[in-house]
Amino acid sequence: AIQMTQSPSSLSASVGDRVTITCRASQDIGSDLSWYQQKPGRAPKLLIFGASNLQSGVPSRFSGSGSGTDFTLTIGSLQPEDFATYYCLHDYNYPRTFGQGTTVEIK
Amino acid sequence: EVQLLESGGGLVQPGGSLRLSCAASGFTFSSYAMSWVRQAPGKGLEWVSAISGSGGSTYYADSVKGRFTISRDNAKNSLYLQMNSLRAEDTAVYYCAKVTQRWGWYFDLWGRGTLVTVSS
Repeated sequence: AIQMTQSPSSLSASVGDRVTITCRASQDIGSDLSWYQQKPGRAPKLLIFGASNLQSGVPSRFSGSGSGTDFTLTIGSLQPEDFATYYCLHDYNYPRTFGQGTTVEIK
Repeated sequence: EVQLLESGGGLVQPGGSLRLSCAASGFTFSSYAMSWVRQAPGKGLEWVSAISGSGGSTYYADSVKGRFTISRDNAKNSLYLQMNSLRAEDTAVYYCAKVTQRWGWYFDLWGRGTLVTVSS
């Protein structure tokens, strides 16, 4: 199974900061990657699909990039509502696997 | 309204069985693959299983293969997960998720989840 490794596991940031989360696949997965945001007690929410396509309704401060094995989720200017846990997911083959998550906390 | 609503969770003893259901509304259910994703308390997301729109193809995580069965009834707009031989490590919130396969394969709609607790 393809392993997805996110870094960092957690980070502290301030409102207005630029935040970057990385996700590394254990093999080449092309652009078969999506990103999700999850707040405590809530279901996950799709942010990015196909590595770099912004889901409808998601603010433009979120962006995704990368291909092959290395991917990045960037929040251009962190807002109070962005404090949450973020997950990557590959869809290259089965079984699908999520990264372990990155928690963005308030500094 | 486009939504997914899970049900069927609860407390079950180790070795027991449980059947989860997910009722879909607001979209053409049979046109979409569906999936189950779980989250153990305080842990990350784990993909569990997926099924094609017709129900003809199914896929499982190694951790549940041979114990869980995914199915769907397109006439009832419903997705199911039959869970047998349950273990303590199956304790989690189980989410059903709609799969969209356009410029990728991804979960664009999630239910609120149903909690399964495996304990004696």
